[in-house]
Amino acid sequence: GAGVSQTPSNKVTEKGKYVELRCDPISGHTALYWYRQSLGQGPEFLIYFQGTGAADDSGLPNDRFFAVRPEGSVSTLKIQRTERGDSAVYLCASSLASGALPDTQYFGPGTRLTVL
Amino acid sequence: AQSVTQLDSHVSVSEGTPVLLRCNYSSSYSPSLFWYVQHPNKGLQLLLKYTSAATLVKGINGFEAEFKKSETSFHLTKPSAHMSDAAEYFCVVDYSSASKIIFGSGTRLSIRP
Repeated sequence: GAGVSQTPSNKVTEKGKYVELRCDPISGHTALYWYRQSLGQGPEFLIYFQGTGAADDSGLPNDRFFAVRPEGSVSTLKIQRTERGDSAVYLCASSLASGALPDTQYFGPGTRLTVL
Repeated sequence: AQSVTQLDSHVSVSEGTPVLLRCNYSSSYSPSLFWYVQHPNKGLQLLLKYTSAATLVKGINGFEAEFKKSETSFHLTKPSAHMSDAAEYFCVVDYSSASKIIFGSGTRLSIRP
C-alpha cells in the first residue's frame, strides 16, 4: 500500500463519547494534514503537522479537538465529548514538503464519523 | 481574504460534449493551483496541478486547465465528456505562506447519456 490509509473507514458513536481517528501517511512524507468535509461542502482545513509538531492548528474548531503525531509518521485525531455537529468525513493528507512548489497533497479515503 | 470560488455548484452535460468547470481565486500573487476529483465513496484524486512552467496544464483522463493571471482564473476543461467523469470536482489553492490549502465549494458534474 503506497497511499494514505485511514482507520476506521466508518465510526458511529453516541453524543458525548470520545473518538480517535487514525491516519497512516505515505512513507517519507514529512507533512500531514487533517481536513473535515461536511455533506455537500468542500474539505475544510483542521491542522497541519511538519514532522512531529503541529505547525498550524488554526482550523481546529474548539478545544474538544486535538491531534498528535508523536513519531512524525502516524497521526491520531482525537475528539472529546462528541456532538452531533461533529458528524462529517474526516480526511487525512500527506505531502513531501520538500520545499519545491507546488507541494502536492495526497489524500486518504477518509473516516466517516456519525454522532447519534 | 484568501479564497477560491467555483462558480457553478452543478454542471450537467451530454456524453461526448465539452466540459467547462469554472474556478476563480483571490490573490495578490500567483498561488499554486490544483484540481481534485472525488468520486462517490472514494478519496480525493489529483487531476492536475499548476507548476508555473506552462499556463496550460494537462492532467489525467483528458482534462486540462488554463491559468490566466489577468483573470485570476483556473478553469477546468475536457473536450469530450465520458460517463465515468460524473463526480465532484474541487478547485484548490495553495497560498504557501499559509501552509495549508483552500478548497472551493465543489462542482458536481453530471453526464447525460
